[in-house]
Amino acid sequence: ETGVTQSPTHLIKTRGQQVTLRCSSQSGHNTVSWYQQALGQGPQFIFQYYREEENGRGNFPPRFSGLQFPNYSSELNVNALELDDSALYLCASSPGKGLRDGNTIYFGEGSWLTVV
Amino acid sequence: AQSVTQLDSQVPVFEEAPVELRCNYSSSVSVYLFWYVQYPNQGLQLLLKYLSGSTLVKGINGFEAEFNKSQTSFHLRKPSVHISDTAEYFCAVIKMNRDDKIIFGKGTRLHILP
Repeated sequence: ETGVTQSPTHLIKTRGQQVTLRCSSQSGHNTVSWYQQALGQGPQFIFQYYREEENGRGNFPPRFSGLQFPNYSSELNVNALELDDSALYLCASSPGKGLRDGNTIYFGEGSWLTVV
Repeated sequence: AQSVTQLDSQVPVFEEAPVELRCNYSSSVSVYLFWYVQYPNQGLQLLLKYLSGSTLVKGINGFEAEFNKSQTSFHLRKPSVHISDTAEYFCAVIKMNRDDKIIFGKGTRLHILP
């Protein structure tokens, strides 16, 4: 039990649609990050938020966007879905600011997105 | 160039035998190193991490890893595996540069044979 919960667990969308994935972090965890894990691959960093501001981004296009809220919840939004967006999307939270302080990152169980 | 390379995509090993999962990284700056485990249909769980200090790091479930700076490696070992260790294992690195992100390897699937 990591204290990080994600919803929905599975969903199917059509190419071109938009999707919102949600995450609830542990209380006190001010940093939240999102990852895309394609089948057979390791997680790829999408972006990171600290106290509601984005403070890091991986090599993902602007149609991947996010929000973090004061109640330790966050969202990942993907617009104009493409077939290659099919993947497991993982949310993770950690205390402190950013990842370089060495604090443990706690992952949720992920949301499986299938784009058809 | 890959920042994290896991040399084996799959490793079969008999139950109660020892296992080593290999990980090499590339970085011109200092790093933090991690091993995560992912059981089927679950998220990632931290096994162990190296931040500084002793190069031999002990983690949960009897796993350990050794940081070797000269060989840029962080191999994961367990002296005797159990069927419950069947999972995907990911090596990951955080570089001490301007980027504040964690980079994962592609994973190694550990198959425990009865």
